[in-house]
Amino acid sequence: KAGVTQTPRYLIKTRGQQVTLSCSPISGHRSVSWYQQTPGQGLQFLFEYFSETQRNKGNFPGRFSGRQFSNSRSEMNVSTLELGDSALYLCASSLVSENTEAFFGQGTRLTVV
Amino acid sequence: AQSVTQLDSQVPVFEEAPVELRCNYSSSVSVYLFWYVQYPNQGLQLLLKYLSGSTLVKGINGFEAEFNKSQTSFHLRKPSVHISDTAEYFCAVIAMRGGNKLTFGTGTQLKVEL
Repeated sequence: KAGVTQTPRYLIKTRGQQVTLSCSPISGHRSVSWYQQTPGQGLQFLFEYFSETQRNKGNFPGRFSGRQFSNSRSEMNVSTLELGDSALYLCASSLVSENTEAFFGQGTRLTVV
Repeated sequence: AQSVTQLDSQVPVFEEAPVELRCNYSSSVSVYLFWYVQYPNQGLQLLLKYLSGSTLVKGINGFEAEFNKSQTSFHLRKPSVHISDTAEYFCAVIAMRGGNKLTFGTGTQLKVEL
């Protein structure tokens, strides 16, 4: 059974640009969550999607957005990149919408220069 | 809202010695508890989880944790560590009926030395 796949693994962008990250959940999983990991702030929840609907949202500015497609694949977008957006972005998939084990991908390392 | 405190940012230990990584949480509602491990340049892997039932939970790689509701703690233990256990360990909670939003602690770096 394939795990959670995140693409790309590494990304370098310039300040002011925008970026789109992709996450393919485990087959059959319908919930996808995104997290940002930085040395200073640790692991912070960005948002969760279930059946193409955003169910939960963390405390991030509107520059961070996401969506989920009918096949449960998810994308997150960051517009007008800032240096502080440099981080490891992790995607997690869960079978259903409530309190189930989250399986994490290997993450996308975004560097903003 | 929930919060998780991992008091020890780093824990050095010799191989084959026991180890305990501490985790305390705060929440106004009931929660489920998790421990995750992260190896360098990798995602997170679930070690164990407490959803209900016995307060002593056994996980992968010989780890176990005990849920203590009165002390709001969920400490992780291993009786004998191996070099390969060197990694960062995260304690996390999910509020019941709160979707799949995980709130993480700041992590504990476990360094196993020969």
